[in-house]
Amino acid sequence: QSVLTQPPSVSGAPGQRVTISCTGSSSNIGAGFVVHWYQQLPGTAPKLLIYGNINRPSGVPDRFSGSKSGPSASLAITGLQADDEADYYCQSYDTSLSGSVFGGGTKVTVL
Amino acid sequence: QVQLRESGPRLVKPSETLSLTCSVSGFSISSGFYWAWVRQPPGKGLEWIGTIYHSGSTYYNPSLKSRLTTSIDKSKNQFSLRLSSVTAADTAVYYCACLGGELPAVTFDYWGQGTLVTVSS
Repeated sequence: QSVLTQPPSVSGAPGQRVTISCTGSSSNIGAGFVVHWYQQLPGTAPKLLIYGNINRPSGVPDRFSGSKSGPSASLAITGLQADDEADYYCQSYDTSLSGSVFGGGTKVTVL
Repeated sequence: QVQLRESGPRLVKPSETLSLTCSVSGFSISSGFYWAWVRQPPGKGLEWIGTIYHSGSTYYNPSLKSRLTTSIDKSKNQFSLRLSSVTAADTAVYYCACLGGELPAVTFDYWGQGTLVTVSS
């Protein structure tokens, strides 16, 4: 059971928009700590997708966007493509752990 | 571009110690950054194990702290993980990573390819 809660799966047709939520608490996201997002393609290491709640590293398409409100954050993928099929993880800092914490992960399926 | 590569035994017996090394290229560990270990049990999510600063300061997941030791070898540009008294629950893909930013807002910027360590007799 992860400290940050994500839905196990979301799906959408090509071209559609999907969102992934990441719900925390007063010891992490709700305390104001930033949220980062990672994409993990099958059989590979995770890759940084969004940092500091809303920022994209160089090379990440603007189809990916992040937001944060209170104790929750969201990742949105617009114009869904087949190669977006992957697991997505949120990450933040938790004062109880005194360290980094990941969400449980969300599998995105393109129908 | 920072590159990382994990190495170590792929099979560890229960109650023994799991030891992994992460070799870093493209950047000198002595110059800075935080370095971390993350694991992923088969079919499950990511778990932060611990972080070590280039100075040697360490930050550990409380759930693993009593069994965990990390260290840096600047002469070899490597950092290492030792997890004692392992059980089947420690079976996972272990990743080493290079962190960006400053605590607590660090990001896991560069990752090794990961190595599957199985705990079994």
